Amino acid sequence: EVQLVESGGGLVKPGGSLRLSCAASGFIFSNTWMIWVRQAPGKGLEWVAHIETKTNGGTTSYAAPVKGRFTISRDDSKNTLYLQMNSLDTEDTGVYHCAAGMGDSWGQGTLVTVSS
Amino acid sequence: QSALTQPASVSGSPGQSITISCTGTSSDVGTYNVVSWYQQHSDKAPKLMIYEASKRPSGVSSRFSGSKSGNTASLTISGLQAEDEADYYCCSYAGSSTFVFGTGTKVTVL
Repeated sequence: EVQLVESGGGLVKPGGSLRLSCAASGFIFSNTWMIWVRQAPGKGLEWVAHIETKTNGGTTSYAAPVKGRFTISRDDSKNTLYLQMNSLDTEDTGVYHCAAGMGDSWGQGTLVTVSS
Repeated sequence: QSALTQPASVSGSPGQSITISCTGTSSDVGTYNVVSWYQQHSDKAPKLMIYEASKRPSGVSSRFSGSKSGNTASLTISGLQAEDEADYYCCSYAGSSTFVFGTGTKVTVL
């Protein structure tokens, strides 16, 4: 059974940092490109970042609002995806989901609240 | 990258068919067949319903179908059931390893 479990969310002040993790199981993680998607309270889904497999170069890409502040990475030896978030703003508040491939499977999400 | 445009809400009676549109541009939906649809029940994780515009993952009811024409993708739900009441989002590849979601549509079963 495919499982994605996010962790690392919490309350942080504007300008602060957080690192989210996504533990994957039930599929060949190293062969799967991954994405982060967020959802602000009462709002729609927003694509945040993408990372390719190491075989395909491990390239990364970011949505314009987070480019330069967020970094997506992966550790295939630990079957874990990460999202390092710096210079956080209140607009970054929301539930952050990791997903495998084109959203074949999703985690339940972890809540990030940016507030003073 | 602007969000794809979806109607805010669509409703139908049990047994009816409804269609949700997803309008993008020639930079996303119009160029790539990498369009997916997701169902999200309240406070739950999204679920993949359609991928590559018209393909259905195993386990998804055949009542769900997808299509694409030009810059617009569509999701049709046939034989509407109470359990179909949820939010639905489209998502398209937009080139250079970027993606864009739709604005979301709330489906109400009357």
